Amino acid sequence: SQTIHQWPATLVQPVGSPLSLECTVEGTSNPNLYWYRQAAGRGLQLLFYSVGIGQISSEVPQNLSASRPQDRQFILSSKKLLLSDSGFYLCAWSSGTGSEKLFFGSGTQLSVL
Amino acid sequence: RKEVEQDPGPFNVPEGATVAFNCTYSNSASQSFFWYRQDCRKEPKLLMSVYSSGNEDGRFTAQLNRASQYISLLIRDSKLSDSATYLCVVNSPGMDSSYKLIFGSGTRLLVRP
Repeated sequence: SQTIHQWPATLVQPVGSPLSLECTVEGTSNPNLYWYRQAAGRGLQLLFYSVGIGQISSEVPQNLSASRPQDRQFILSSKKLLLSDSGFYLCAWSSGTGSEKLFFGSGTQLSVL
Repeated sequence: RKEVEQDPGPFNVPEGATVAFNCTYSNSASQSFFWYRQDCRKEPKLLMSVYSSGNEDGRFTAQLNRASQYISLLIRDSKLSDSATYLCVVNSPGMDSSYKLIFGSGTRLLVRP
């Protein structure tokens, strides 16, 4: 069966510090991978998605970036965090058939202080 | 106009009540529709897909009205454990012929004893 791992679960970082969140998927190959962010009391905002190694599409211009160095690994990064980067970050995968269901990791609660 | 719109609620209902949520979407080319459930500070989990002919899963019934571009979720005989936020999700075609899942901001349900 497929599983998705995301870490860390919580993170407190000072403004201006770097960020690296990692997500890995097991039990499937060539998944579509996604990073979403959810601000407190708000809906999910798609940040990045990837249909293959090295292929990243950005939905919202910002100081975040994403990379997919391996088929089942997706990394969210920032060189300098802003206060507005605080939120609940969720990694997700889908089978990529076009009518896909999303399966989420357990999320990372990021607080930038 | 948002691509996917939901009444944020909260809907506060007694146990055993029937409650219905609606969701409207703006892109008539959307092809796939889902309802997700999200508990507080947890990742969203797929509740059910929404099919053109309508579909039922136990106490939950989902319906799609393509002409009016709305989706509904009906919960019968509400349980305390149904308290959560319900997210409407619609796939939306992108410029590159790919599809992305767009989330509504969610409708919060509170079931009281």
